[in-house]
Amino acid sequence: GAVVSQHPSWVICKSGTSVKIECRSLDFQATTMFWYRQFPKQSLMLMATSNEGSKATYEQGVEKDKFLINHASLTLSTLTVTSAHPEDSSFYICSARGARQNTEAFFGQGTRLTVV
Amino acid sequence: AQSVTQLDSQVPVFEEAPVELRCNYSSSVSVYLFWYVQYPNQGLQLLLKYLSGSTLVKGINGFEAEFNKSQTSFHLRKPSVHISDTAEYFCAVTLNPHTGKLIFGQGTTLQVKP
Repeated sequence: GAVVSQHPSWVICKSGTSVKIECRSLDFQATTMFWYRQFPKQSLMLMATSNEGSKATYEQGVEKDKFLINHASLTLSTLTVTSAHPEDSSFYICSARGARQNTEAFFGQGTRLTVV
Repeated sequence: AQSVTQLDSQVPVFEEAPVELRCNYSSSVSVYLFWYVQYPNQGLQLLLKYLSGSTLVKGINGFEAEFNKSQTSFHLRKPSVHISDTAEYFCAVTLNPHTGKLIFGQGTTLQVKP
């Protein structure tokens, strides 16, 4: 149980376009989802926390207008990278936890975004 | 503020040898500690976690870690590694395990050689 799926696994887009990444909890209701960004050979940096039905809370230094997060249902959160630029190229990972997973958040497999 | 330091960026080791990946944390309050493994181009998988109780925690794949409050450490160990253990390992802390919000260390690349 406790499976989190991200889609797509990888995406290439042109500079200036927007890209949407989905994070789904397949077998539990995710009351909270987290979005991380990981640069090559570096650690994960938390970008934002989203609670179902409310606005996401962004970490300091993360542009909320550039990284739009929507958590409209208990099984789906989306991250939209708007007007993407090459410096947005990175590995984006989501994690999710539900009311029953009280001490653990489960991670998706990640999405590699390349902006050309 | 809390922080996590993984002292080694890379750890090369021969197959069947023991290994220790070091993790130190900094916090003025009690924290909860985790170790995750990440295989190339994949998400993170939980190896083990310390929430309370026994300071020696056993996890999956033969890994274990010991919480040492006086040394503020949570080192990960395995007595005999396999080629398949080659991966990136992350130590993480949280103030509240119920929130799921984690602060990660820089990661350690474990390279198991035949």
